[in-house]
Amino acid sequence: QQQVKQSPQSLIVQKGGISIINCAYENTAFDYFPWYQQFPGKGPALLIAIRPDVSEKKEGRFTISFNKSAKQFSLHIMDSQPGDSATYFCAASSGPGEKLTFGTGTRLTIIP
Amino acid sequence: NAGVTQTPKFRILKIGQSMTLQCTQDMNHNYMYWYRQDPGMGLKLIYYSVGAGITDKGEVPNGYNVSRSTTEDFPLRLELAAPSQTSVYFCASSSTGTGAFEQYFGPGTRLTVT
Repeated sequence: QQQVKQSPQSLIVQKGGISIINCAYENTAFDYFPWYQQFPGKGPALLIAIRPDVSEKKEGRFTISFNKSAKQFSLHIMDSQPGDSATYFCAASSGPGEKLTFGTGTRLTIIP
Repeated sequence: NAGVTQTPKFRILKIGQSMTLQCTQDMNHNYMYWYRQDPGMGLKLIYYSVGAGITDKGEVPNGYNVSRSTTEDFPLRLELAAPSQTSVYFCASSSTGTGAFEQYFGPGTRLTVT
């Protein structure tokens, strides 16, 4: 009930391409869906987040698409750059300050 | 404003030893969390605290203890270290204001138990 399933585990994309990472959840009480970005040797940092009252949120090259009926959400990185190479985690929680349930992570590598 | 700081950065423990991982935040956040990160497993919540004097177990609390005597500090204690506790440990904090969802993470402590 608390799981967040993330795929793929690793992803290689050419520079300039679109990177897509998918997540699915089971708990219908979740109402906050963030994506965290983590560089090697660093802690995760919030990249972008969405609430279920909208189906899409865009910030620069990063877009979250959210499908409430399917209980799925995804991160799209447009015009992927080598600096985007990092591990990305989706997560979900049921309110401000509530515990985050994380996906297992996607290691993204952008090749020239 | 340093955010969330953690010490030490690295530590090697022998089986059965004990240690305390330190975590301090200077953002006046009420909520604090401890996670462990293992390869391919994401982040698992160990303990969390909603304010000074209040702590609760997360998903994987066995072998750990916490205390929260001040708003700023949230130390994690490992008693009788085991190889299964080899991991990277992250402390995080968040505020409780309206719409305040973001958790801010520290740089992590890499612990090896041999």
